[in-house]
Amino acid sequence: EVQLLQSGGGLVQPGGSLRLSCATSGFTFSNYAMSWVRQAPGKGLEWVSAISGSGDTTFYADSVKGRFTISRDNSKNTLYLQMNSLRAEDTALYYCAGAPQRPNLRPNFDYWGQGSLVIVSS
Amino acid sequence: QSALTQPASVSGSPGQSITISCTGTSSDVGGYSHVSWYQQHPGKAPKLIIYDVTDRPSGVSDRFSGSKSGNTASLTISGLQAEDEADYHCASCTSRSTLVFGTGTKVTVL
Repeated sequence: EVQLLQSGGGLVQPGGSLRLSCATSGFTFSNYAMSWVRQAPGKGLEWVSAISGSGDTTFYADSVKGRFTISRDNSKNTLYLQMNSLRAEDTALYYCAGAPQRPNLRPNFDYWGQGSLVIVSS
Repeated sequence: QSALTQPASVSGSPGQSITISCTGTSSDVGGYSHVSWYQQHPGKAPKLIIYDVTDRPSGVSDRFSGSKSGNTASLTISGLQAEDEADYHCASCTSRSTLVFGTGTKVTVL
């Protein structure tokens, strides 16, 4: 059974930092490009960042570039998102999601985590 | 990168067919054959129902079908059922090596 178990969300003040984790099992983690996708309350989905299966290539949305860092540990089958300089507009439910590794980034997310709520507020 | 444009809501009666549009530009939807659609029920994670414009993952009902013309992709739900009431999101890759989602559409079964 495929599982993506997320942890690390919470309440943080503007300017603060938070790290999200996504521990996976049930599939060959290194064969999947992994992304973080967020959803603000009552809003649509927003792609945040992606990392290749090997971890050597990363991609970011303009809205988080320079503030967020995506990484993965294939020995632990775990994905991370380090979020720095957080802003109120970063408040959202953050999902980790996996798509089969392909030469180019594709939005074919077969697997999703349960979501981690991040609230940025003073 | 601006979100792809979807209608805020679409409704239909049981058994009817409905179509949801997803409009982008030549730098995303129009330029690639990598458009996906997701179904999301309240409080749940999204579920992939269409990928690469027209393909369905194993286990997804054939009542869901996808197409694309120019810069607009479309999702058609045939034989609408009560369980189809959900939010639907499109997504595409872009020329800037990023991904972009649509604004989302709420489907109501009357």
